[in-house]
Amino acid sequence: AAGVIQSPRHLIKEKRETATLKCYPIPRHDTVYWYQQGPGQDPQFLISFYEKMQSDKGSIPDRFSAQQFSDYHSELNMSSLELGDSALYFCASSLGTSGRAVKTQYFGPGTRLLVL
Amino acid sequence: AQSVAQPEDQVNVAEGNPLTVKCTYSVSGNPYLFWYVQYPNRGLQFLLKYITGDNLVKGSYGFEAEFNKSQTSFHLKKPSALVSDSALYFCAVRDPSRDDKIIFGKGTRLHILP
Repeated sequence: AAGVIQSPRHLIKEKRETATLKCYPIPRHDTVYWYQQGPGQDPQFLISFYEKMQSDKGSIPDRFSAQQFSDYHSELNMSSLELGDSALYFCASSLGTSGRAVKTQYFGPGTRLLVL
Repeated sequence: AQSVAQPEDQVNVAEGNPLTVKCTYSVSGNPYLFWYVQYPNRGLQFLLKYITGDNLVKGSYGFEAEFNKSQTSFHLKKPSALVSDSALYFCAVRDPSRDDKIIFGKGTRLHILP
């Protein structure tokens, strides 16, 4: 079965540079979530989108922005990178339905970002 | 506020023995509870979830978890551990009355000793 695809898998940047991470959800999934996992840390929720609209916002820095496109893929744009941004960035997707149906999140393999 | 606690940073179990990874939660309403596993250099893999119904939930790779409302716990269990079960396990909660995001516990590293 198709899974969540993230690209690139690894990325090395220098301080103050910009980076763009991409996430392609499982086919037919309309909701995308971004998480950041620092070294030895648990994943922290950044932001989510449902049907191309931001649905929730977590601890995402102002230097970061994200969007979901018409094909439901999402991009996380990171500017003015700092050393502390080095982390594993996960994308997850789920199938949204009306009401309060449970939407199990399925995670991609992550993008490992290293800021030098 | 929603929160998840995994009281053990690491659990060591001999191969073939039963294993338990502990998780307690705090949410304002009825929780949706999840277990994810993370292998080295890999993403998070969904293991199982509790939404409603039977308190004993069965998931992937022979794992199961028991929802205990009075103790606000959702411990992960397996009757007979395999060396290949060695990984990092995250308990997570979603408060369905609030929003979609998942709150993860700090993770428990499971070592299965041959």
